Amino acid sequence: DQQVKQNSPSLSVQEGRISILNCDYTNSMFDYFLWYKKYPAEGPTFLISISSIKDKNEDGRFTVFLNKSAKHLSLHIVPSQPGDSAVYFCAASEGSSASKIIFGSGTRLSIRP
Amino acid sequence: DSGVTQTPKHLITATGQRVTLRCSPRSGDLSVYWYQQSLDQGLQFLIQYYNGEERAKGNILERFSAQQFPDLHSELNLSSLELGDSALYFCASSVSQGGNTIYFGEGSWLTVV
Repeated sequence: DQQVKQNSPSLSVQEGRISILNCDYTNSMFDYFLWYKKYPAEGPTFLISISSIKDKNEDGRFTVFLNKSAKHLSLHIVPSQPGDSAVYFCAASEGSSASKIIFGSGTRLSIRP
Repeated sequence: DSGVTQTPKHLITATGQRVTLRCSPRSGDLSVYWYQQSLDQGLQFLIQYYNGEERAKGNILERFSAQQFPDLHSELNLSSLELGDSALYFCASSVSQGGNTIYFGEGSWLTVV
């Protein structure tokens, strides 16, 4: 049973447009949510996070939205750039320990010229 | 470069064999985590060590074991290998045993034939 689901395995967006990556979760006890970005032949790197006490967190071109009632979060990238082409993992945890982080299966984002 | 070093980067071995994956955490990090990423799967947490002691256990098979040495490097031992063990194995590290900010290595590709 996947507690964190990324239902879109891939997404293609034109450069300069907005990229929206979606993630759903089932465990209402999750209180911390993260997005990781992974380039080929590299490990995942932390991108942005949000606590359950917030519904939005912004960092430059990246904004994460959390809808607790729908158990849904999304990552918005605007404007999308070629360097954003990567696999994006959504993750959630109950509590602050990294060992409790549950990752989704990832969405491959491709930014086309 | 995250500062987390994993060796080997690629490994091909036969079913029934045993392999050891090695991880050197970032300088100063005391916690080491191991994750498995199978095809089309998210990152599955296997086990965490903190300063030489096991701290948390996830979906780690009994055929797998790990340890963290006094110099803080860690090894993941996989034995009686099966085809389904073919995956990308990531090591990650963090300063403390809590906290969500972890830094991933580039991973070790294991192919069991």
